[in-house]
Amino acid sequence: DIQMTQSPSSLSASVGDTVTITCRASEDITNNLAWLQQKPGEAPKSLIYSASTLHTGVPSKFSGSGSGTEFTLTINNLQPEDFATYYCQHHNSFPPTFGQGTKLDI
Amino acid sequence: QVQLLQSGADVKKPGASVKISCKASGYTFTTRGINWVRQAPGQGLEWVGWINPQNGNRNQPVKFWGRVTMTTDTATNTAYMELRNLKPDDTAVYFCARDIDDSDWYNFDHWGQGTPVTVSS
Repeated sequence: DIQMTQSPSSLSASVGDTVTITCRASEDITNNLAWLQQKPGEAPKSLIYSASTLHTGVPSKFSGSGSGTEFTLTINNLQPEDFATYYCQHHNSFPPTFGQGTKLDI
Repeated sequence: QVQLLQSGADVKKPGASVKISCKASGYTFTTRGINWVRQAPGQGLEWVGWINPQNGNRNQPVKFWGRVTMTTDTATNTAYMELRNLKPDDTAVYFCARDIDDSDWYNFDHWGQGTPVTVSS
């Protein structure tokens, strides 16, 4: 199985900051990488797929980049509603696997 | 609008089975795969399996072979996931999630609200 490793595991930031989360795959997944946001007690929300394509309705403050084995999620102008846990997940092949999550808090 | 509505929370004893439903609306059910993902308390996300509602084809990780059965009912636009021989570490919230299109498997766009399952004697 492809291993997905996120860094950092946790991140403290302030309203208005820009943050970047990194995700590394244990083998080449081309651009088949998704980013999810999860708030406590809620279902995950799909933000980005194919490394850089925003799902419908996701604000442009979220952006993704990368290919092969290294990917990043950048969030601009952090607002209170952005503080959550973020997961990367490959959708390249069977079985899909997730990173361990990055908890973003104030 | 696309909605995936899951069944309610359940409590089971070790060795029992649980069957969770995921009722889809707002799109043609047979045109998108349905995935199941679980999350143990305080832990990350784990993919449990995938089913194609059009033809019943399934994929699931080896660790769930023999314990997980995924089915769909196209008359009611509902997907089901049954987990047998429950163990305490099956305690988790179980989510269904839809594929973004019929050729891009495991690429989720919409999620159900989650079904908490507690396994305890």
